[in-house]
Amino acid sequence: GQNIDQPTEMTATEGAIVQINCTYQTSGFNGLFWYQQHAGEAPTFLSYNVLDGLEEKGRFSSFLSRSKGYSYLLLKELQMKDSASYLCAVRWGSTLGRLYFGRGTQLTVWP
Amino acid sequence: SAVISQKPSRDICQRGTSLTIQCQVDSQVTMMFWYRQQPGQSLTLIATANQGSEATYESGFVIDKFPISRPNLTFSTLTVSNMSPEDSSIYLCSVELGSDTQYFGPGTRLTVL
Repeated sequence: GQNIDQPTEMTATEGAIVQINCTYQTSGFNGLFWYQQHAGEAPTFLSYNVLDGLEEKGRFSSFLSRSKGYSYLLLKELQMKDSASYLCAVRWGSTLGRLYFGRGTQLTVWP
Repeated sequence: SAVISQKPSRDICQRGTSLTIQCQVDSQVTMMFWYRQQPGQSLTLIATANQGSEATYESGFVIDKFPISRPNLTFSTLTVSNMSPEDSSIYLCSVELGSDTQYFGPGTRLTVL
C-alpha cells in the first residue's frame, strides 16, 4: 500500500521555525504535495515537489529527496493563523490527480 | 487557479436514503476526483471521474455505492447510496490544473442518522 508517515502533532511559538517531515514509499513516485487545512475547511494547496531540492514560497518552503523517500515542509516566522493541519500527499504512477494523503500533522502555534 | 463549488454544502440524511453531491468548476478539466474525509481522518480518494467514460474506483469503493456522473468538462456528481452512519464524512471534489497544481472544492459535510 501507500505508506505515508508524518507526525501527528507539533507545537511551536509565534516567530519560530517549524519543520514537518513526511516519508513515503518510493516505488512509482511521481510528485509530492503539501496542503494546509484549517478546521472545517477544504485543503489549500501550498507546494509541489517532483525533483530533488528546495522550493521556496515566501514563509513556506518544501524539500524533497526522492532517493530517500523524504520531504519536509518548513514554516518560518510562525503566526497564530498557521495553526492548522498540514497534509502530505503523494502521487504514484502517471495519473494526475490521484493523490494519497498522510494522516496530517496538527500544528499549534502558541503566542 | 480554479474556482470549484459544491452543492449542498452540508446535509443531514436518514439511513437507507441516497444523496447526490454536485461539483462545478469554472474551467474545463479533463479529470475530476472525489475524495472522502471521515471525522478526524485524512483524505481518501474514492474515484476518478473522466468525461465520456465510466469512473475509475479505488480499492474499497464500488460503483453501486458511489455512482458518479461526468456529463461535461465542468461538472460531476457523486451519489452516496443506501447511506449508513459510517458514511458520515466530508466529501470533496478536486481538479488538477497541469501536473503541479491540484485544487479542492469547499466540501460537502454529510451526517447520516
